[in-house]
Amino acid sequence: KNEVEQSPQNLTAQEGEFITINCSYSVGISALHWLQQHPGGGIVSLFMLSSGKKKHGRLIATINIQEKHSSLHITASHPRDSAVYICAVGTSGSRLTFGEGTQLTVNP
Amino acid sequence: DAGVIQSPRHEVTEMGQEVTLRCKPISGHNSLFWYRQTMMRGLELLIYFNNNVPIDDSGMPEDRFSAKMPNASFSTLKIQPSEPRDSAVYFCASRPTSGRDNEQFFGPGTRLTVL
Repeated sequence: KNEVEQSPQNLTAQEGEFITINCSYSVGISALHWLQQHPGGGIVSLFMLSSGKKKHGRLIATINIQEKHSSLHITASHPRDSAVYICAVGTSGSRLTFGEGTQLTVNP
Repeated sequence: DAGVIQSPRHEVTEMGQEVTLRCKPISGHNSLFWYRQTMMRGLELLIYFNNNVPIDDSGMPEDRFSAKMPNASFSTLKIQPSEPRDSAVYFCASRPTSGRDNEQFFGPGTRLTVL
């Protein structure tokens, strides 16, 4: 069993839909990161959180430390949101352990 | 700031050749990370440095891989000799401080193909 599991692996949505991507982890963490990787390959850090909720524009990330679970929400999705979304947890030292990613496709 | 700079962006080489990947972190960042991304294994940490000192190299696959950080503004990842299974995208990332809870800034990656 992977230390970090994401669901779903693939997600297709229509423009405007509300999207949720889930991340569960099985280890103690210092922080959880959500990353975005576009088709060109570049990786961008979206959020880093260790408790509660963070919001940036149409993106919202939440984490429940007790349940070892985080969600990434996208409101009013747009085709430019199409990307791979990767959950990563910070464990010992500065090491990051990554989930396998969720491929999101938003159709116009 | 230009962000994390990696070179080359693409590298195609033949099995057995030496490959050197380069990274320039964001100025002022004192933590640097090398990652590898493949279809089979996703993103994996290879090694990271704090203040130019290697802290955790447990992700380095084998002795064919080596990484150096001679100063705060430059790091290399070398594969010698290269093998087809080393084909992957190699990312470098840097972070502002040695604290555990700061976000990392990723470079554009180097796509390596070993024939």
